[in-house]
Amino acid sequence: EDKVVQSPLSLVVHEGDTVTLNCSYEVTNFRSLLWYKQEKKAPTFLFMLTSSGIEKKSGRLSSILDKKELFSILNITATQTGDSAVYLCASILTGGGNKLTFGTGTQLKVEL
Amino acid sequence: GAVVSQHPSRVICKSGTSVKIECRSLDFQATTMFWYRQFPKQSLMLMATSNEGSKATYEQGVEKDKFLINHASLTLSTLTVTSAHPEDSSFYICSALSHATNEKLFFGSGTQLSVL
Repeated sequence: EDKVVQSPLSLVVHEGDTVTLNCSYEVTNFRSLLWYKQEKKAPTFLFMLTSSGIEKKSGRLSSILDKKELFSILNITATQTGDSAVYLCASILTGGGNKLTFGTGTQLKVEL
Repeated sequence: GAVVSQHPSRVICKSGTSVKIECRSLDFQATTMFWYRQFPKQSLMLMATSNEGSKATYEQGVEKDKFLINHASLTLSTLTVTSAHPEDSSFYICSALSHATNEKLFFGSGTQLSVL
């Protein structure tokens, strides 16, 4: 059975801190891994990672995939209270019709 | 980015009634839409894949007669929770696949269903 596991489950940091969120996967026919940010309602897309070792950046967020060790990390530098959210990673399979298997999510809270 | 509209955002209903949730892609055509369910503090669980013009594909353990899915056009999919019971109370989210944006998935804003 395909599995995506995220850690930690929850995290509380202070503004300005740097955080690293982890996502490991055990899936057959892996194609890509996606990161989403979920605040109160729908998840918003952050990154799609398909190739190993290539960092993707968007402002203070960055992410990288390791297909040998089957994991990805999401880094957030200089955190702000607006970064507080649940961060979800999901695997997408080749020939899987674009179905996503989501991890359990990491609840991040950034305090002043 | 592409916009997916989901309606209603919140619904409260009595046990035994049916509830219809709509998911629309506003500025793109979506041949495939997905329906997810999310319990508090848990992740998104895929319920079914909705393909325009054909029957939906349900995930294991999801009752197709309970959760009716219709994808009659390239911009609209509906999920009907039939004879709802309190255990059906959950957050339901749809997503639509946009081929125009490199096959990215865009999510609706979700529907919080509470069955009394």
